[in-house]
Amino acid sequence: EAGVVQSPRYKIIEKKQPVAFWCNPISGHNTLYWYLQNLGQGPELLIRYENEEAVDDSQLPKDRFSAERLKGVDSTLKIQPAELGDSAVYLCASSLGQGNEAFFGQGTRLTVV
Amino acid sequence: TQLLEQSPQFLSIQEGENLTVYCNSSSVFSSLQWYRQEPGEGPVLLVTVVTGGEVKKLKRLTFQFGDARKDSSLHITAAQPGDTGLYLCAGVQAGSYQLTFGKGTKLSVIP
Repeated sequence: EAGVVQSPRYKIIEKKQPVAFWCNPISGHNTLYWYLQNLGQGPELLIRYENEEAVDDSQLPKDRFSAERLKGVDSTLKIQPAELGDSAVYLCASSLGQGNEAFFGQGTRLTVV
Repeated sequence: TQLLEQSPQFLSIQEGENLTVYCNSSSVFSSLQWYRQEPGEGPVLLVTVVTGGEVKKLKRLTFQFGDARKDSSLHITAAQPGDTGLYLCAGVQAGSYQLTFGKGTKLSVIP
């Protein structure tokens, strides 16, 4: 069974430019998470989806970040415009349902210069 | 305030030694998970504990969930260099479905 797939693995952009990350969760997993992880720190939740509905986006900086999960499968996370402080690893995870074990992708390492 | 406090933050030990890392909170969790993360990779699930007082073993790793379901520990026996990594605990609070992580314990096992 394929795991959570994220792309790209690495992205370097100049500040003020837009960037998008893509996530394909494990087949059949209804819950999808986007986390942000700074170096040496634990992941911090940005948004959680149950199917196509965003049920927890309280930590998402909505002035510049947006996310969507059309059809309740793949998801994209966008930043526009990117700032230097957005440099981090963006992790996608999925689980069968709310509160179940989460499985992570390899992450996208974003560097904003 | 961090919901889940992990300690120690850093740990460097010699191969063959034993160690314990802790994950503490003032909140009750319906379940708690332990992950290991290597550089450049996403966290990999090691174990989930759901019952107060539960003990689970995974080869040389022993996980315990506190009786009150507010804390957990991970004990590694005879650590090996392959155990090196960032150990993360994550919990789902009772009455919630949000999975919240601690800041992690960075373990280095020196050959």
